[in-house]
Amino acid sequence: SQQGEEDPQALSIQEGENATMNCSYKTSINNLQWYRQNSGRGLVHLILIRSNEREKHSGRLRVTLDTSKKSSSLLITASRAADTASYFCATGSGAGSYQLTFGKGTKLSVIP
Amino acid sequence: EAGVAQSPRYKIIEKRQSVAFWCNPISGHATLYWYQQILGQGPKLLIQFQNNGVVDDSQLPKDRFSAERLKGVDSTLKIQPAKLEDSAVYLCASSLEGGPMGTQYFGPGTRLLVL
Repeated sequence: SQQGEEDPQALSIQEGENATMNCSYKTSINNLQWYRQNSGRGLVHLILIRSNEREKHSGRLRVTLDTSKKSSSLLITASRAADTASYFCATGSGAGSYQLTFGKGTKLSVIP
Repeated sequence: EAGVAQSPRYKIIEKRQSVAFWCNPISGHATLYWYQQILGQGPKLLIQFQNNGVVDDSQLPKDRFSAERLKGVDSTLKIQPAKLEDSAVYLCASSLEGGPMGTQYFGPGTRLLVL
């Protein structure tokens, strides 16, 4: 079963605008990760936020985590056409048998 | 650093046939994962190896799917016999360690179409 649910399912913006994607999950987690997948390619790890962190930045990416609401958001600032891809949140749980559970993803289209 | 390699990239077979996928993880990565990604969905973990031992295969349909990781490096995933619903992208990933902070690195995937 998929724990994370991204919202919206699809997002279309103009180049230069900011893009915000949300993720909700159901059970307790060790961390939450965001991945990007370009069409027909594998997934690329973007950023990891631990359960005791509230916000994290990496370049044009900003991730927030609210464990009380079981939700996270990914903000991409000053979007570029190359940011066009599907974005997945993945929740990490367990210790000995650590697993990532992925959501269905948000399909982002950045129009030049 | 070379990434995760997978082959073949594409495979078309008829239902009830068998198929095998190969994965070569990043050198030195102890943990290897196989995921199934159906169109429009996120990846679903099928099996996780730590070196050459299985850590978790609870979501692997064992009546038709099998996987091995001999010598703790390369891995193969087999489907026998294939069903129409097995059409998906099969992703291999590896991580240096399988713990909570281990970033997973994904290969390009094998796109399987079962007719």
